[in-house]
Amino acid sequence: EVQLVESGGGLVQPGGSLRLSCAASGFTFSSYWMSWVRQAPGKGLEWVANIKQDGSEKYYVDSVKGRFTISRDNAKNSLYLQMNSLRAEDTAVYYCAGRYGDTNPFDYWGQGTLVTVSS
Amino acid sequence: EILMTQSPATLSVSPGERATLSCRASQSVSSNLAWYQQKPGQAPRLLIYGASTRATGIPARFSGSGSGTEFTLTISSLQSEDFAVYYCQQYNNWPPLTFGGGTKVEIK
Repeated sequence: EVQLVESGGGLVQPGGSLRLSCAASGFTFSSYWMSWVRQAPGKGLEWVANIKQDGSEKYYVDSVKGRFTISRDNAKNSLYLQMNSLRAEDTAVYYCAGRYGDTNPFDYWGQGTLVTVSS
Repeated sequence: EILMTQSPATLSVSPGERATLSCRASQSVSSNLAWYQQKPGQAPRLLIYGASTRATGIPARFSGSGSGTEFTLTISSLQSEDFAVYYCQQYNNWPPLTFGGGTKVEIK
């Protein structure tokens, strides 16, 4: 059974930092592009960042460039998102998602972890 | 950036009726278009990819059509478990990967 389990969310003050983790199992993690997708309360889905299978390519939505860093550890079947200089508008449920190729949809999704940025 | 526009925002349908959801791309995405279903408190679930191919385990009452800039998701006979929010997403030209704003299918 495929599982993606996110952790690391919580309440943080504006300007603060958080590191999200996603533990993968049930599929060949190292063969998948991995992404973070977020959803603000009551809003739609927004892609945040992508990382290639070997970590050699990374892409970000403009609003997080320079503040967020995506990374992965294939030996640990894990995906990470380091979030710095957090803003109120970063408040959202953050989903870990996997897709097999760069012209594929998101096959697998985690259940999400809530990040709240507030003073 | 390719903008994805879904209509209507809300669709009120009676159980057993047909539902037709639309998605428009601001430029051609070929057939690289997916549909997802999301229920409250749950993660999205892949329904359709390649504009018209059902994902594993998706019932035949869900069908997708279209190519280029105009796409449709049809649910032939709505079941109680189909009331949810549906998102389209293009993966043809990125970054960024982009989603539509969603269509909420509610019980009439």
